[in-house]
Amino acid sequence: DSGVTQTPKHLITATGQRVTLRCSPRSGDLSVYWYQQSLDQGLQFLIQYYNGEERAKGNILERFSAQQFPDLHSELNLSSLELGDSALYFCASSVEAGGILGTDTQYFGPGTRLTVL
Amino acid sequence: SQQGEEDPQALSIQEGENATMNCSYKTSINNLQWYRQNSGRGLVHLILIRSNEREKHSGRLRVTLDTSKKSSSLLITASRAADTASYFCATDAESGGYQKVTFGTGTKLQVIP
Repeated sequence: DSGVTQTPKHLITATGQRVTLRCSPRSGDLSVYWYQQSLDQGLQFLIQYYNGEERAKGNILERFSAQQFPDLHSELNLSSLELGDSALYFCASSVEAGGILGTDTQYFGPGTRLTVL
Repeated sequence: SQQGEEDPQALSIQEGENATMNCSYKTSINNLQWYRQNSGRGLVHLILIRSNEREKHSGRLRVTLDTSKKSSSLLITASRAADTASYFCATDAESGGYQKVTFGTGTKLQVIP
């Protein structure tokens, strides 16, 4: 158990809908990262927040947005969902800003499996 | 095509043998990192190599980086059944004021006991 929690575990919804995925980082970690893993696109870094501020951006679509709240939990909002958004969404946390590929170890949550029908 | 492409896509070896996976990328990078992922689970960081480094070791892992060829390799020596997993490389580069991080397509390694 990494200490990172994600809810929900599974989510099934229809095209055009909007969903919110939630991530609670490990206690004391200031950075939260979001990743998407799908069969078509492989593993992709989406976005990083550090202490409430956006820190790094990856291949995040405009239909997706994220935020990190004062208690450091983060939410990833996915809107106007398409079939291709079906994927496993991972959240990770680390102590410092670190940079995505810095020396700061990231701890991954169990993921949320999103299925868009 | 993707910034990071790994080769081979899948590899099956006997326990005790060495496994070598390769990663190629297209643009200049700051760092390259290797991750491991067990089926359906999150990523586990293995090793980071900076653009000014050529080789790094960590236990049974050896990573090389050749920036002139834009490629990296991950060698796992004396493989064990528990090494069975997918292995990804990820590159980190500056792009438009942001860090751009791109993962490779992954190599699925099976170690047969």
